[in-house]
Amino acid sequence: GESVGLHLPTLSVQEGDNSIINCAYSNSASDYFIWYKQESGKGPQFIIDIRSNMDKRQGQRVTVLLNKTVKHLSLQIAATQPGDSAVYFCAAHTGNQFYFGTGTSLTVIP
Amino acid sequence: GAGVSQSPSNKVTEKGKDVELRCDPISGHTALYWYRQRLGQGLEFLIYFQGNSAPDKSGLPSDRFSAERTGESVSTLTIQRTQQEDSAVYLCASSLTSNEQFFGPGTRLTVL
Repeated sequence: GESVGLHLPTLSVQEGDNSIINCAYSNSASDYFIWYKQESGKGPQFIIDIRSNMDKRQGQRVTVLLNKTVKHLSLQIAATQPGDSAVYFCAAHTGNQFYFGTGTSLTVIP
Repeated sequence: GAGVSQSPSNKVTEKGKDVELRCDPISGHTALYWYRQRLGQGLEFLIYFQGNSAPDKSGLPSDRFSAERTGESVSTLTIQRTQQEDSAVYLCASSLTSNEQFFGPGTRLTVL
């Protein structure tokens, strides 16, 4: 199986600062990773993904870093905005399944 | 375009009753997943359907839980003889491959 955990359950950042959310996974066979954003009362929304043959991928204001040596994944959000306030989950794909972390609640302070 | 839809959005039931939750995936998506999300916790895998293959039921927590899918369309998750610990948000997701999943808004189940 797989165990996925996030390092911090909550994170507060000032508007305009960069945010970093970290995630650890246990199964070295995990081959695909996704970061999701979940706003209150809504389902998770895809942010960015990365395959295990990559170590970095960039999107609009977001970057995902993958360190397979230590089985660590991070999500960096540049110039954090109030609309970024949400719970962020990482998911690791192993076999047929996705394994999700418990989520980090990001609060952006105006 | 239309995303994944789920119904009902909220369901309140009495302990011991059966409930049925519905998921309409994105048209053409062959894979469908059900997850349970307890308050303040991560998503817990329940069951996975892929095309006409036998579903992966390894995440179902007890024999009170069952799910069906008609071809590559709608899926229903049934919980029999509900218990208070079944209270959670039940999320459905669909995908075209085993990659990116598109989630529905979830059904919030409350068992009194």
